[in-house]
Amino acid sequence: DAKTTQPTSMDCAEGRAANLPCNHSTISGNEYVYWYRQIHSQGPQYIIHGLKNNETNEMASLIITEDRKSSTLILPHATLRDTAVYYCIVRVFFDSNYQLIWGAGTKLIIKP
Amino acid sequence: SAVISQKPSRDICQRGTSLTIQCQVDSQVTMMFWYRQQPGQSLTLIATANQGSEATYESGFVIDKFPISRPNLTFSTLTVSNMSPEDSSIYLCSIRQTETQYFGPGTRLLVL
Repeated sequence: DAKTTQPTSMDCAEGRAANLPCNHSTISGNEYVYWYRQIHSQGPQYIIHGLKNNETNEMASLIITEDRKSSTLILPHATLRDTAVYYCIVRVFFDSNYQLIWGAGTKLIIKP
Repeated sequence: SAVISQKPSRDICQRGTSLTIQCQVDSQVTMMFWYRQQPGQSLTLIATANQGSEATYESGFVIDKFPISRPNLTFSTLTVSNMSPEDSSIYLCSIRQTETQYFGPGTRLLVL
């Protein structure tokens, strides 16, 4: 079962920051939060991941609340090419290995 | 990150037939994964394929329906056997490098 909940869809104006929320209230202390996106007709693309500290890379920033029950993915200057389904995922340990547990995703539409 | 390719990229098949999907990686990897993405849905893990051992299937997936081969560290195949229209999905190959999973472009399968 998915451990994350996300809004079904969101719009954002081109050039503005896109802030995508995710709730993961049942996350355990050793479970990471991952974000992927899937542009239509392509395989999922890794964006960023984190445990409890905020993270930033060339694609996005990840803000995780202090209680770790929610997080926000920030695309600082959205472009039309950022239109995609964004998945917030919890990485869980299972049988001495780990699995990505995928949620339903948020369809982000960037508007000109 | 590694480059992952899949063949075929798409296919239309008749019910009752089988299709073998190939996944090629440009570097050696220990763990490879096969996922299914049904229309409008998120990703579901079918099985984990490690070289030199039998694939490990997730609940709801069986080897007779989805036999997997892993002959070496750069290649794997997934066969969808005795297909029905319910098997119409995108099938995705994935690898793990350090703490991140990367995905192939997917194989779009339509079963008539």
